[in-house]
Amino acid sequence: TQLLEQSPQFLSIQEGENLTVYCNSSSVFSSLQWYRQEPGEGPVLLVTVVTGGEVKKLKRLTFQFGDARKDSSLHITAAQPGDTGLYLCAGAYSGNTPLVFGKGTRLSVIA
Amino acid sequence: DAGVIQSPRHEVTEMGQEVTLRCKPISGHNSLFWYRQTMMRGLELLIYFNNNVPIDDSGMPEDRFSAKMPNASFSTLKIQPSEPRDSAVYFCASSSFTDTQYFGPGTRLTVL
Repeated sequence: TQLLEQSPQFLSIQEGENLTVYCNSSSVFSSLQWYRQEPGEGPVLLVTVVTGGEVKKLKRLTFQFGDARKDSSLHITAAQPGDTGLYLCAGAYSGNTPLVFGKGTRLSVIA
Repeated sequence: DAGVIQSPRHEVTEMGQEVTLRCKPISGHNSLFWYRQTMMRGLELLIYFNNNVPIDDSGMPEDRFSAKMPNASFSTLKIQPSEPRDSAVYFCASSSFTDTQYFGPGTRLTVL
């Protein structure tokens, strides 16, 4: 059983389009993180959300944590080819404990 | 500051051989995690250490896998004997009293 379900698994869009990636769980997390992974590299942290209902913006990326701290979404506005990669959400129950990862959303932005 | 360092970056070996993966965490971090990534199963936690002590190794697939952390700046993951189904990318990550984990570049292991 996957504790964190990500959807969609694969997404191929044209440059300039908007997209949303979802991360859902039945568990409550103390925080939720989004990572981006490029081929041949390890995941790199994009953002951490901690408070239920929290919204964080990182340039064209908007991250939201659900009110109940069980789900999150990542919205990308006007996607660019440089956004291509694997996006992973990860939930934490507390500090210094293992993260629970979703399987990821593989995004391809075509110029 | 140097990030998490892993070696080797690529390893190709034959079934039955011993494989040792190495990790140097970020200086000052007190937790170290070993993950395995495959297309089918995504990122899976194998084992993690707090202050050099193994806390949870329930993710280690079987007795062929072992991990050590002899000091705060070094850890190894050993597979003996290796099997083709062990082929994957193995990541090491470290953290310091926060939820944020910093990942190394990974070791791509191919067992023929």
